[in-house]
Amino acid sequence: EPEVTQTPSHQVTQMGQEVILRCVPISNHLYFYWYRQILGQKVEFLVSFYNNEISEKSEIFDDQFSVERPDGSNFTLKIRSTKLEDSAMYFCASSVAGQGTPNYGYTFGSGTRLTVV
Amino acid sequence: GQNIDQPTEMTATEGAIVQINCTYQTSGFNGLFWYQQHAGEAPTFLSYNVLDGLEEKGRFSSFLSRSKGYSYLLLKELQMKDSASYLCAVRDNSNSGYALNFGKGTSLLVTP
Repeated sequence: EPEVTQTPSHQVTQMGQEVILRCVPISNHLYFYWYRQILGQKVEFLVSFYNNEISEKSEIFDDQFSVERPDGSNFTLKIRSTKLEDSAMYFCASSVAGQGTPNYGYTFGSGTRLTVV
Repeated sequence: GQNIDQPTEMTATEGAIVQINCTYQTSGFNGLFWYQQHAGEAPTFLSYNVLDGLEEKGRFSSFLSRSKGYSYLLLKELQMKDSASYLCAVRDNSNSGYALNFGKGTSLLVTP
């Protein structure tokens, strides 16, 4: 079964440093997403990406965050200057979106656990 | 905005049936999803409802009533491996990016 792949699985970084989280979505999917989950809290939407541009973003996704699809397969989340409160599990997801698709549900990657120290 | 409520914790016995409820408020409902999440792992898709009624998928069923803003996930013949968090998530058609809004999840403990 197709998978969404995320690397690295764990990342420890010092406060103020930049991090890049990487994702390879499922090849025929059209929409890409980043979500995060702070330990013990709910899964929160960060950003969605379609046709090489951001289609929606949440209040969490401020100027410290950016996304990019540098080639035909990778989808990255960059945090420019990490803060302690950015420590969370970051999930990438992809979907075949559009009307008429039976459920256009998401497939989530296994996540990157980011720890900011 | 959206408000999604589900119980924090539930306990059930192996072999039994459990029902996890979810209520939501949204301005433009466009589908409700249930996901299972084991600790430290990614959410995995269980079910999707966009029309009223029951969707059955093996041991799992999900029900939706749009007029009541209510859904439930029914798990039958519980197994120990069903101990996990169950996430209710709603999509709103005002979201051009098809983003999901998740509830806080219901932690289910299955006991022998």
